[in-house]
Amino acid sequence: AQSVSQHNHHVILSEAASLELGCNYSYGGTVNLFWYVQYPGQHLQLLLKYFSGDPLVKGIKGFEAEFIKSKFSFNLRKPSVQWSDTAEYFCAVMRGGTASKLTFGTGTRLQVTL
Amino acid sequence: EAGVAQSPRYKIIEKRQSVAFWCNPISGHATLYWYQQILGQGPKLLIQFQNNGVVDDSQLPKDRFSAERLKGVDSTLKIQPAKLEDSAVYLCASSLAAELRTEAFFGQGTRLTVV
Repeated sequence: AQSVSQHNHHVILSEAASLELGCNYSYGGTVNLFWYVQYPGQHLQLLLKYFSGDPLVKGIKGFEAEFIKSKFSFNLRKPSVQWSDTAEYFCAVMRGGTASKLTFGTGTRLQVTL
Repeated sequence: EAGVAQSPRYKIIEKRQSVAFWCNPISGHATLYWYQQILGQGPKLLIQFQNNGVVDDSQLPKDRFSAERLKGVDSTLKIQPAKLEDSAVYLCASSLAAELRTEAFFGQGTRLTVV
């Protein structure tokens, strides 16, 4: 069965610190990869996505992620976090097939302190 | 472009009662998903529709949960009877198609509390 693993459940950083959130998936075929963010009280929003091509993907609000196929990873990074980045971050994987299913990781809660 | 609409936003019911949630996807989106998000966990797919047909309901507790998508547009998710462990946020999402290179858009969700 396809699974998505996020290693960090809760991360606390000071403003201006660098961020890296890990994401690994178990499916070996063609995949599309996503990072979603959920701000307190709001719905899931897409941060960035990888379909094909350049494995380094840039998203909104200064976030980026790198797809490393050999490691089945799609880690999220930001060089300098802001207090407003406090949110829950979800990695998600869609694999090809008759009916592509979007599977989420368990999420990482990021808390940015002033 | 209007987003995915869900109602109600909040619902509190007693165990063994029934409840229904409604979702209106983005116009033109053939694929509709219902997810269950329990506090502290990632969204779990309950059911996926392609137009008005079910393509995946492997994780739907069919003894108490049911869903339909009338005319391939709006969808309702029903729980009857509810259990305490059904307390969660129920998310509806839609995408143009259930295939690679498409993006899912999510609604605000319905927060269900079963007491």
